[in-house]
Amino acid sequence: GNSVTQMEGPVTLSEEAFLTINCTYTATGYPSLFWYVQYPGEGLQLLLKATKADDKGSNKGFEATYRKETTSFHLEKGSVQVSDSAVYFCALKSGQGAQKLVFGQGTRLTINP
Amino acid sequence: DADVTQTPRNRITKTGKRIMLECSQTKGHDRMYWYRQDPGLGLRLIYYSFDVKDINKGEISDGYSVSRQAQAKFSLSLESAIPNQTALYFCATSDSWGAPSTDTQYFGPGTRLTVL
Repeated sequence: GNSVTQMEGPVTLSEEAFLTINCTYTATGYPSLFWYVQYPGEGLQLLLKATKADDKGSNKGFEATYRKETTSFHLEKGSVQVSDSAVYFCALKSGQGAQKLVFGQGTRLTINP
Repeated sequence: DADVTQTPRNRITKTGKRIMLECSQTKGHDRMYWYRQDPGLGLRLIYYSFDVKDINKGEISDGYSVSRQAQAKFSLSLESAIPNQTALYFCATSDSWGAPSTDTQYFGPGTRLTVL
């Protein structure tokens, strides 16, 4: 079945550091891939997405590239800010069947000033 | 006003009680979902509905039931609450228009449920 594995957290960085959160997936067919972010006390919000191999999703300085050969969708940001502190979820949606999202376990990120 | 609202935001109940969590949306979406979030487990799908007459079980539906009262309303019920149903519950919506592989889900703020 479909599954998503994320790098274990929590991750703590200093402001302006480079961020990578690893995400790998297992899926049948050609899934769409997503990163969602959950700020404290809020629901999840879509951060970025990619729908086919080699696509790069980007938003708010974050980027992730859909790598079919390594079944990965790692999230990166060149210079993090305190306001980026949140929980980040990688997710996939298969193009077949019921169109349901499958989430990774989430990675808590804390940025210190 | 928020597009996806959930009530209540927090609820404490006792084992054996029946409770209902409600979700309303003003996005005009036809698809609605209920998830639960547990620490270290991400979000897991409980039930989903692709329209008013279409209700489907997710991966962890045991102990839960749902009702789609209208396109904009989707309620989750715990018939007899137990402590391991203590979790954060999220409602989400999406629409079925456009390419199937690209639809985005929009989440409510969550309901924190504690079962004593």
